[in-house]
Amino acid sequence: QVQLQESGPGLVKASETLSLTCSVSGVSINNYYWSWIRQSAGKGLEWIGRIHISGDTNYSPSLKSRAMMSIDTSKNQFSLRVTSMTAADTAVYYCARDWSSSWGGGWLDPWGQGTLVTVSS
Amino acid sequence: QSVLTQPPSASGTPGQRVTISCSGSSSNIGSYTVNWYQQLPGAAPKLLFYSNDKRPSGVPDRFSGSKSGTSASLAISGLQSADEADYYCAAWDDILSGPAFGGGTKLTVL
Repeated sequence: QVQLQESGPGLVKASETLSLTCSVSGVSINNYYWSWIRQSAGKGLEWIGRIHISGDTNYSPSLKSRAMMSIDTSKNQFSLRVTSMTAADTAVYYCARDWSSSWGGGWLDPWGQGTLVTVSS
Repeated sequence: QSVLTQPPSASGTPGQRVTISCSGSSSNIGSYTVNWYQQLPGAAPKLLFYSNDKRPSGVPDRFSGSKSGTSASLAISGLQSADEADYYCAAWDDILSGPAFGGGTKLTVL
């Protein structure tokens, strides 16, 4: 059974950098793409980016210059860093296995339970 | 403003059939398959359909998905109170270079 668990600080100060980690169990991180998605309170889902062990990464244009993802195969984890955080970045952040291929397509399954990140001023 | 367009709300009584629409364009639904996610209150999204009409194990066959051109729809028959949730459609988008989501539809069982 594949499970994902997000971890990181629940509170980040404005202008600082957010660092989140997603721990994967039940499957090797080597064989898939992995994505981050966020959801602001009462709002819809926003895809942040995806990463593959090959080095292939894609980021949403809305975050492209501030987001960076990485993979740690020794720990079967992948991570997200978002710089220059603002109040608009306050959201629940989810990680998910991404069944897409190099050309796109696919779906997200399963998802982690999510972690709330609040940006304080 | 979401890339894919869904009605913000839908409702029905127990036992009824409800349909939720999802509209896109040639850069997403018109070129790629559609997925649906169910988000129960306070929970993470869960995959409900992938590749337009494929149900993951455990999803009741009361749920059905379809796609035509640049639109897709999710149908739920025999509506139950347990179906109250937010439903999101999604499809890869060439402009985004990633999955685009609809704004979500809140389903209420009256």
